[in-house]
Amino acid sequence: DTGVSQDPRHKITKRGQNVTFRCDPISEHNRLYWYRQTLGQGPEFLTYFQNEAQLEKSRLLSDRFSAERPKGSFSTLEIQRTEQGDSAMYLCASSPLPGSRKTNTEAFFGQGTRLTVV
Amino acid sequence: GQSLEQPSEVTAVEGAIVQINCTYQTSGFYGLSWYQQHDGGAPTFLSYNALDGLEETGRFSSFLSRSDSYGYLLLQELQMKDSASYFCAARTGANNLFFGTGTRLTVIP
Repeated sequence: DTGVSQDPRHKITKRGQNVTFRCDPISEHNRLYWYRQTLGQGPEFLTYFQNEAQLEKSRLLSDRFSAERPKGSFSTLEIQRTEQGDSAMYLCASSPLPGSRKTNTEAFFGQGTRLTVV
Repeated sequence: GQSLEQPSEVTAVEGAIVQINCTYQTSGFYGLSWYQQHDGGAPTFLSYNALDGLEETGRFSSFLSRSDSYGYLLLQELQMKDSASYFCAARTGANNLFFGTGTRLTVIP
């Protein structure tokens, strides 16, 4: 296992088109996160899965955004009717469940998908 | 709301020590993590504090004071390759890892 992988690495799309990104987490990790990052900013939380269940969604996530993790392994993030403001780096991260409160559950990030909406 | 405040930029000399501070205001708090991100790269984990005190990992140390809602990352023996953005991130629940806006560190010869 070489870590978290994301596909594609880059995507250019016209405004109004739909796009879908894929994330393959580290195989034994139960938790999967999607973040969005714009230049000069920290990653902004979008949504979180524990196994196949989507347990949390940010208020940043409009109804044009949908994420799935159907079998608790890979995940997809779809953006419908893309807008120029959607241009950003979309990062996926995975982590194991904690064994204890003190246990660090560091998140391992993929290289991201850079979306440009023109 | 949630907020994590960090200085936006820090410059330090190669071989020196630099401290990057982070103050947080969150609803629920489990611990504070630090991540490094080089330009064009993915964030990579550096350190995590669940309890008050200092955690040391090689040249990097991280400190947390829950009573002050404050933490810092200490980088010693700075190297040119340490030039990057550094993010503090609060684990605000079982699920969420909430990131600060980041500190861009520039190491100069």
